[in-house]
Amino acid sequence: GDSVIQMQGQVTLSENDFLFINCTYSTTGYPTLFWYVQYSGEGPQLLLQVTTANNKGSSRGFEATYDKGTTSFHLQKTSVQEIDSAVYYCAMRDISNTNKVVFGTGTRLQVLP
Amino acid sequence: EAAVTQSPRSKVAVTGGKVTLSCHQTNNHDYMYWYRQDTGHGLRLIHYSYVADSTEKGDIPDGYKASRPSQENFSLILELASLSQTAVYFCASSWDRGSQNTLYFGAGTRLSVL
Repeated sequence: GDSVIQMQGQVTLSENDFLFINCTYSTTGYPTLFWYVQYSGEGPQLLLQVTTANNKGSSRGFEATYDKGTTSFHLQKTSVQEIDSAVYYCAMRDISNTNKVVFGTGTRLQVLP
Repeated sequence: EAAVTQSPRSKVAVTGGKVTLSCHQTNNHDYMYWYRQDTGHGLRLIHYSYVADSTEKGDIPDGYKASRPSQENFSLILELASLSQTAVYFCASSWDRGSQNTLYFGAGTRLSVL
């Protein structure tokens, strides 16, 4: 079945460090890929999304590029700030299949001042 | 701004008791979802619905029932609550129209089963 893999459970950085969060996915269909962010005490909210038609998305300084060859959708940011501390979820929606959204296990980012 | 409201925000239940979690959306969205969040497992889909009076099983439906009596309301029902169902539950809604398929989440319900 469809799946999304995030290997990094926790990432700790200092302010102005470069962020890279790994995400790979598996599907037989045509996915739309998302990154959601969850701040403490809140529900997840959309950070950015990418379809197979446009392979790159960006928002609030974050970028993600969809690579069909490696089935990857990594999240990057050049210079993180303390306010970026949150849990980041990679997610996938296969509209050609059941249309449900599958999430990865999440990566907790802690940015130290 | 999309609005998804969950109630209650937290609940303590006894093992074997019945629990109902409610979700209301004012977005006129087609799809509604129930997810469960656990440390180490992320968000896992329990049930979802794309139209009133119809529900679909997600990836972990065992021990849960769902009800969608109207487009705005979607409930998650635990007929016989168990310790293993202690978790945070999130409801979400979305369109299903081309690129407009963002999930809008509620603030979550923290359920403790004792």
